Amino acid sequence: EPEVTQTPSHQVTQMGQEVILRCVPISNHLYFYWYRQILGQKVEFLVSFYNNEISEKSEIFDDQFSVERPDGSNFTLKIRSTKLEDSAMYFCASSETSGGADVSYEQYFGPGTRLTVT
Amino acid sequence: GEDVEQSLFLSVREGDSSVINCTYTDSSSTYLYWYKQEPGAGLQLLTYIFSNMDMKQDQRLTVLLNKKDKHLSLRIADTQTGDSAIYFCAGPGANNLFFGTGTRLTVIP
Repeated sequence: EPEVTQTPSHQVTQMGQEVILRCVPISNHLYFYWYRQILGQKVEFLVSFYNNEISEKSEIFDDQFSVERPDGSNFTLKIRSTKLEDSAMYFCASSETSGGADVSYEQYFGPGTRLTVT
Repeated sequence: GEDVEQSLFLSVREGDSSVINCTYTDSSSTYLYWYKQEPGAGLQLLTYIFSNMDMKQDQRLTVLLNKKDKHLSLRIADTQTGDSAIYFCAGPGANNLFFGTGTRLTVIP
Protein backbone atom coordinates (compact mmCIF):
# COMPACT_ATOMS: atom_id res chain seq x y z
CA GLU A 1 0.00 0.00 0.00
CA PRO A 2 1.40 3.43 -0.88
CA GLU A 3 2.54 5.50 2.06
CA VAL A 4 4.00 8.88 2.89
CA THR A 5 7.61 8.69 4.03
CA GLN A 6 9.60 11.23 6.00
CA THR A 7 13.30 11.62 6.67
CA PRO A 8 15.02 11.82 9.02
CA SER A 9 12.99 10.25 11.80
CA HIS A 10 14.85 12.35 14.36
CA GLN A 11 16.84 15.52 13.82
CA VAL A 12 18.85 17.30 16.47
CA THR A 13 20.06 20.78 15.68
CA GLN A 14 21.48 23.79 17.44
CA MET A 15 19.50 26.97 17.85
CA GLY A 16 19.99 29.28 14.88
CA GLN A 17 20.80 26.50 12.44
CA GLU A 18 18.80 25.78 9.32
CA VAL A 19 17.03 22.44 8.98
CA ILE A 20 15.31 20.79 6.07
CA LEU A 21 12.72 18.15 6.75
CA ARG A 22 11.97 15.87 3.85
CA CYS A 23 8.84 14.10 2.78
CA VAL A 24 7.89 11.87 -0.12
CA PRO A 25 4.12 12.08 -0.60
CA ILE A 26 2.06 9.38 -2.27
CA SER A 27 2.84 9.56 -5.97
CA ASN A 28 -0.56 10.42 -7.47
CA HIS A 29 -1.47 12.92 -4.77
CA LEU A 30 -1.73 16.59 -5.62
CA TYR A 31 -2.18 18.27 -2.24
CA PHE A 32 0.53 18.40 0.39
CA TYR A 33 0.58 19.55 3.97
CA TRP A 34 2.84 20.09 6.96
CA TYR A 35 1.65 19.88 10.54
CA ARG A 36 3.53 19.92 13.80
CA GLN A 37 2.86 18.72 17.32
CA ILE A 38 4.71 20.14 20.27
CA LEU A 39 4.88 17.57 23.05
CA GLY A 40 1.58 17.40 24.91
CA GLN A 41 -0.12 19.90 22.64
CA LYS A 42 -2.41 19.72 19.63
CA VAL A 43 -1.41 18.78 16.14
CA GLU A 44 -1.19 22.20 14.48
CA PHE A 45 -1.56 22.98 10.82
CA LEU A 46 1.38 24.80 9.25
CA VAL A 47 0.87 24.96 5.51
CA SER A 48 -0.88 23.40 2.53
CA PHE A 49 0.59 23.28 -0.96
CA TYR A 50 -0.96 22.68 -4.35
CA ASN A 51 0.12 23.25 -7.92
CA ASN A 52 3.57 24.41 -6.78
CA GLU A 53 2.32 27.11 -4.52
CA ILE A 54 1.12 27.61 -0.98
CA SER A 55 -2.66 27.40 -0.82
CA GLU A 56 -3.01 28.17 2.87
CA LYS A 57 -0.76 28.80 5.83
CA SER A 58 -1.26 29.32 9.52
CA GLU A 59 0.07 32.06 11.77
CA ILE A 60 2.84 29.71 12.84
CA PHE A 61 4.20 29.58 9.31
CA ASP A 62 6.16 32.81 9.39
CA ASP A 63 9.15 33.97 7.35
CA GLN A 64 11.39 31.43 9.05
CA PHE A 65 9.51 28.65 7.28
CA SER A 66 9.42 27.74 3.64
CA VAL A 67 8.23 24.77 1.60
CA GLU A 68 9.34 23.47 -1.71
CA ARG A 69 8.66 20.67 -4.12
CA PRO A 70 12.07 20.53 -5.72
CA ASP A 71 11.31 17.60 -8.00
CA GLY A 72 8.40 15.33 -8.81
CA SER A 73 8.62 13.34 -5.61
CA ASN A 74 9.96 15.31 -2.65
CA PHE A 75 8.21 17.92 -0.53
CA THR A 76 10.41 19.77 1.93
CA LEU A 77 9.94 22.04 4.92
CA LYS A 78 12.81 24.39 5.67
CA ILE A 79 13.22 26.24 8.94
CA ARG A 80 15.74 28.97 8.31
CA SER A 81 16.97 29.74 11.82
CA THR A 82 15.66 27.29 14.37
CA LYS A 83 14.47 28.36 17.80
CA LEU A 84 14.04 26.26 20.92
CA GLU A 85 10.27 26.47 20.52
CA ASP A 86 10.50 24.82 17.09
CA SER A 87 11.18 21.53 18.86
CA ALA A 88 8.25 19.33 17.89
CA MET A 89 7.15 16.37 15.83
CA TYR A 90 6.62 17.47 12.23
CA PHE A 91 4.13 15.55 10.12
CA CYS A 92 3.87 15.64 6.38
CA ALA A 93 0.60 14.63 4.72
CA SER A 94 -0.77 14.33 1.23
CA SER A 95 -4.19 13.88 -0.33
CA GLU A 96 -5.57 13.06 -3.73
CA THR A 97 -8.27 15.69 -3.49
CA SER A 98 -8.79 18.76 -1.43
CA GLY A 99 -11.47 18.70 1.18
CA GLY A 100 -12.83 21.50 3.21
CA ALA A 101 -16.02 21.88 5.08
CA ASP A 102 -18.28 20.39 2.43
CA VAL A 103 -16.42 17.38 1.14
CA SER A 104 -14.98 14.43 2.99
CA TYR A 105 -11.50 13.38 2.04
CA GLU A 106 -8.53 11.57 3.52
CA GLN A 107 -5.15 13.00 4.28
CA TYR A 108 -2.40 10.41 4.44
CA PHE A 109 0.26 11.11 7.02
CA GLY A 110 3.89 10.20 7.30
CA PRO A 111 5.36 8.89 10.56
CA GLY A 112 6.82 12.27 11.45
CA THR A 113 10.22 13.79 12.06
CA ARG A 114 11.06 14.62 15.63
CA LEU A 115 12.99 17.88 15.64
CA THR A 116 14.97 18.72 18.76
CA VAL A 117 16.51 22.17 18.95
CA THR A 118 19.19 22.59 21.61
CA GLY B 1 -10.91 28.24 12.72
CA GLU B 2 -12.01 25.12 14.44
CA ASP B 3 -10.94 24.40 18.01
CA VAL B 4 -10.93 20.75 19.00
CA GLU B 5 -10.48 19.44 22.53
CA GLN B 6 -9.79 15.93 23.79
CA SER B 7 -8.66 14.35 27.00
CA LEU B 8 -5.09 13.09 26.94
CA PHE B 9 -5.30 9.58 28.36
CA LEU B 10 -7.67 6.64 28.62
CA SER B 11 -7.00 3.18 30.04
CA VAL B 12 -9.34 0.24 29.61
CA ARG B 13 -9.18 -3.49 30.18
CA GLU B 14 -9.05 -5.81 27.23
CA GLY B 15 -12.57 -6.81 26.20
CA ASP B 16 -14.19 -3.68 27.65
CA SER B 17 -15.55 -0.83 25.55
CA SER B 18 -13.53 2.34 25.12
CA VAL B 19 -15.15 5.72 24.65
CA ILE B 20 -12.99 8.58 23.45
CA ASN B 21 -14.58 12.00 23.60
CA CYS B 22 -14.02 15.19 21.67
CA THR B 23 -15.58 18.64 21.63
CA TYR B 24 -15.39 21.13 18.80
CA THR B 25 -16.38 24.73 18.26
CA ASP B 26 -17.22 25.27 14.60
CA SER B 27 -20.91 24.48 14.14
CA SER B 28 -20.54 24.74 10.37
CA SER B 29 -18.27 21.68 10.25
CA THR B 30 -19.92 19.22 7.93
CA TYR B 31 -17.43 16.40 8.35
CA LEU B 32 -15.67 15.27 11.50
CA TYR B 33 -12.90 12.73 11.49
CA TRP B 34 -11.19 10.21 13.72
CA TYR B 35 -7.57 9.40 13.04
CA LYS B 36 -5.45 6.74 14.74
CA GLN B 37 -1.70 6.83 15.28
CA GLU B 38 0.12 3.64 16.14
CA PRO B 39 3.67 3.77 17.53
CA GLY B 40 6.18 4.83 14.88
CA ALA B 41 3.52 5.39 12.25
CA GLY B 42 1.66 8.34 10.80
CA LEU B 43 -1.92 9.33 11.53
CA GLN B 44 -4.33 7.07 9.69
CA LEU B 45 -7.96 7.86 8.97
CA LEU B 46 -10.21 5.53 10.96
CA THR B 47 -13.64 6.87 10.19
CA TYR B 48 -15.59 10.05 9.67
CA ILE B 49 -19.13 11.24 10.12
CA PHE B 50 -21.21 13.71 8.20
CA SER B 51 -23.01 16.28 10.29
CA ASN B 52 -26.48 15.20 9.19
CA MET B 53 -25.88 11.90 10.97
CA ASP B 54 -26.13 11.20 14.68
CA MET B 55 -24.39 7.88 14.56
CA LYS B 56 -22.20 5.82 12.30
CA GLN B 57 -21.21 2.24 12.94
CA ASP B 58 -18.36 0.39 11.32
CA GLN B 59 -17.69 -3.05 12.80
CA ARG B 60 -16.35 -2.44 16.33
CA LEU B 61 -16.36 1.33 15.91
CA THR B 62 -19.32 3.56 16.67
CA VAL B 63 -19.17 7.32 16.15
CA LEU B 64 -21.74 9.44 17.93
CA LEU B 65 -22.33 13.07 17.08
CA ASN B 66 -24.25 15.49 19.27
CA LYS B 67 -24.42 18.66 17.21
CA LYS B 68 -26.27 20.61 19.85
CA ASP B 69 -23.45 20.09 22.35
CA LYS B 70 -20.74 19.96 19.64
CA HIS B 71 -19.62 16.66 21.06
CA LEU B 72 -18.17 13.76 19.12
CA SER B 73 -17.29 10.38 20.53
CA LEU B 74 -15.65 7.22 19.28
CA ARG B 75 -16.65 3.96 20.90
CA ILE B 76 -14.54 0.86 20.39
CA ALA B 77 -16.33 -2.32 21.36
CA ASP B 78 -14.41 -5.32 22.72
CA THR B 79 -11.18 -3.34 22.92
CA GLN B 80 -8.08 -5.33 22.04
CA THR B 81 -4.43 -4.74 22.88
CA GLY B 82 -3.91 -3.88 19.22
CA ASP B 83 -6.19 -0.89 19.71
CA SER B 84 -3.59 0.75 21.92
CA ALA B 85 -2.72 3.93 20.04
CA ILE B 86 -3.32 7.66 20.01
CA TYR B 87 -6.72 8.70 18.64
CA PHE B 88 -7.19 12.14 17.13
CA CYS B 89 -10.44 13.94 16.53
CA ALA B 90 -10.31 16.42 13.61
CA GLY B 91 -12.52 19.00 11.98
CA PRO B 92 -12.11 20.53 8.54
CA GLY B 93 -10.65 23.86 7.58
CA ALA B 94 -10.54 25.29 4.09
CA ASN B 95 -7.40 23.42 3.06
CA ASN B 96 -6.39 21.67 6.24
CA LEU B 97 -7.60 19.75 9.27
CA PHE B 98 -7.88 20.99 12.84
CA PHE B 99 -6.79 18.36 15.31
CA GLY B 100 -7.08 17.85 19.02
CA THR B 101 -4.20 16.77 21.24
CA GLY B 102 -4.96 13.11 20.68
CA THR B 103 -6.12 10.66 23.34
CA ARG B 104 -3.64 7.94 24.23
CA LEU B 105 -5.59 4.72 24.67
CA THR B 106 -3.86 2.05 26.74
CA VAL B 107 -5.41 -1.38 26.76
CA ILE B 108 -4.55 -3.46 29.80
CA PRO B 109 -4.43 -7.22 29.14
